[in-house]
Amino acid sequence: GAVVSQHPSRVICKSGTSVKIECRSLDFQATTMFWYRQFPKQSLMLMATSNEGSKATYEQGVEKDKFLINHASLTLSTLTVTSAHPEDSSFYICSARRRDGYYGYTFGSGTRLTVV
Amino acid sequence: SQQGEEDPQALSIQEGENATMNCSYKTSINNLQWYRQNSGRGLVHLILIRSNEREKHSGRLRVTLDTSKKSSSLLITASRAADTASYFCATDERKGGKLIFGQGTELSVKP
Repeated sequence: GAVVSQHPSRVICKSGTSVKIECRSLDFQATTMFWYRQFPKQSLMLMATSNEGSKATYEQGVEKDKFLINHASLTLSTLTVTSAHPEDSSFYICSARRRDGYYGYTFGSGTRLTVV
Repeated sequence: SQQGEEDPQALSIQEGENATMNCSYKTSINNLQWYRQNSGRGLVHLILIRSNEREKHSGRLRVTLDTSKKSSSLLITASRAADTASYFCATDERKGGKLIFGQGTELSVKP
C-alpha cells in the first residue's frame, strides 16, 4: 500500500506558459501533501505544505502567486507553475502523509520540468 | 528550508568497503529518515528511526541516532557498485510537521 502517483513525469513547456503537475494518493487518504523542488546536484527544498480544503503554507522565498497549489480532496494535490521561465526548470517531487495514523511519508516519482 | 547538514558531501570507495554518512540537524524531531536517490530519479525510502530509538538495522544498513547531539549516521556495509547514489537524511520536525532534507552525500562505489 501507500502509493503516490505523480504526473507527468517529464514536461517541456515554452517560456511564459503554465504547467500543472498532479500528485495523487492511490490507496490512502492524505491529510497533508508536500511539494519539493530539486535543482541538479542539490537536495530537496520544501516549497509548500498543503492540507486538504485549506490554503497552502509556503516556505520562505517561494512565490505563492507563481506556484499555485490546490489540495481539493484527500487524494489529490496539484502544483501549477504559472508563467514559467527557464529558471523554473527543475525536478518537482510531491509527498503525502497518511490520514489513518500511519506515520510516514510517501513520495511521488517526480516531474522533470524543462522550460525553453 | 534546509535543516540537515550531511558529511561528507561526496564519498568514493571500493566495492566491499563500508560507507559511513553523517547527518546533523537543528530542531526537535519525531523521527529521522534516510533516502536514496539515483541520478535523476525519485526517492527510495531506506530506513526510519524514531526519536526514542538509538540504533536500527535493515539488511546491510545500520542507522544510529543521537538526539543529544542532534546527529545520525548511516552505515552501509559491504558496499556494492549498485549502492552508487545520493543519500539524504530527512528529519520529521516535531513542530511544523514537515520533512526537511539534508544536503546529501554522493556515494560512488567502484567495482
